[in-house]
Amino acid sequence: GQNIDQPTEMTATEGAIVQINCTYQTSGFNGLFWYQQHAGEAPTFLSYNVLDGLEEKGRFSSFLSRSKGYSYLLLKELQMKDSASYLCAVREGTGGFKTIFGAGTRLFVKA
Amino acid sequence: GAVVSQHPSRVICKSGTSVKIECRSLDFQATTMFWYRQFPKKSLMLMATSNEGSKATYEQGVEKDKFLINHASLTLSTLTVTSAHPEDSSFYICSARPHSPEEQYFGPGTRLTVT
Repeated sequence: GQNIDQPTEMTATEGAIVQINCTYQTSGFNGLFWYQQHAGEAPTFLSYNVLDGLEEKGRFSSFLSRSKGYSYLLLKELQMKDSASYLCAVREGTGGFKTIFGAGTRLFVKA
Repeated sequence: GAVVSQHPSRVICKSGTSVKIECRSLDFQATTMFWYRQFPKKSLMLMATSNEGSKATYEQGVEKDKFLINHASLTLSTLTVTSAHPEDSSFYICSARPHSPEEQYFGPGTRLTVT
């Protein structure tokens, strides 16, 4: 089965940098996703990593180490609107490529 | 970007009735659709994987006779909650994946309240 761990909550200051970690255990790894979800809304796609290394997209970067079962999402130049839940999700390579979500990290950005 | 719609966005029903939720991919064909439920301040829990023209694959602990899934076409999947109970009240979200495996697109969700 799968096990995905990420911190429950984090707080950071506007303009700062925050790193949200995610560790996972899975059979048949086929990619790791990060999603942003505001309360009462559906998740929106942020990033996708399938190979080791860093993927940068604007203020957001995502890192993956498959051998360590580890990923992080890096948010730079934090803005108040970045206050949301950030979901780490792992796709299995078998059984229809289903994606399993972690419990999410609630990020609070303060002025 | 790709758009996925869900209907209805909110529904209130009485215990014992059935509710159907539709998930449509508006500008792409979705070979696979996924149904999730989410409790307040919790993450998404995968309920089932739906492939067009075949039976859905349910996750462990999800009753297939209670949560009926029909994926009749490449753009439409439906979830029917049968004989609804108050504990079925939740936020139900579908997602659709085009042929490319990299990304899945989420619908806006349906908030179900069973009284």
